[in-house]
Amino acid sequence: QKEVEQDPGPLSVPEGAIVSLNCTYSNSAFQYFMWYRQYSRKGPELLMYTYSSGNKEDGRFTAQVDKSSKYISLFIRDSQPSDSATYLCAMSAADSWGKLQFGAGTQVVVTP
Amino acid sequence: EAQVTQNPRYLITVTGKKLTVTCSQNMNHEYMSWYRQDPGLGLRQIYYSMNVEVTDKGDVPEGYKVSRKEKRNFPLILESPSPNQTSLYFCASSLLPSGTDTQYFGPGTRLTVL
Repeated sequence: QKEVEQDPGPLSVPEGAIVSLNCTYSNSAFQYFMWYRQYSRKGPELLMYTYSSGNKEDGRFTAQVDKSSKYISLFIRDSQPSDSATYLCAMSAADSWGKLQFGAGTQVVVTP
Repeated sequence: EAQVTQNPRYLITVTGKKLTVTCSQNMNHEYMSWYRQDPGLGLRQIYYSMNVEVTDKGDVPEGYKVSRKEKRNFPLILESPSPNQTSLYFCASSLLPSGTDTQYFGPGTRLTVL
């Protein structure tokens, strides 16, 4: 069983809708949680990171971490066709913060 | 321009022929890392380096070697490539280990081992 599980999608939504993405994990030592966006044929780019539990908001993006449920989420409000990409969650533990575990990635398609 | 460069971008080789994929960053970052990306498996970390002469294994280090003799360069070496190492490879760097700092990714190297 993988340490980080993520539904691969694809997830198709109409423009303007809220995109909801999530990952579950099994390692309770994970403390750093990240979301990356990857466009086709490009390297991933960091969208947001969160330390431990709680919410973090940045423009149209909101990241949530629920450590008690070992569950993290990313919400994209007012989605645009330019948000069409693969979204990957990633996490690391405090005692090995150089070692990252990624989810498989969820493909998101926002249709005009 | 701040960037991570990888060479080559595309490579087709045969089983057992040693190869090196170079990675270089111009941001004076201390942390560098190599990943492979396969369909349905996401990104898997191969090796990472916290600083010069400091390297450590990621999740899938078997069949790979790395070295960090200078801060800007972090080459990935496949001593005897096999077909199961056919993959898309990414190098990344950041000032601090990822999780507390933005990690910059290179453009990727698509490797095919026949």
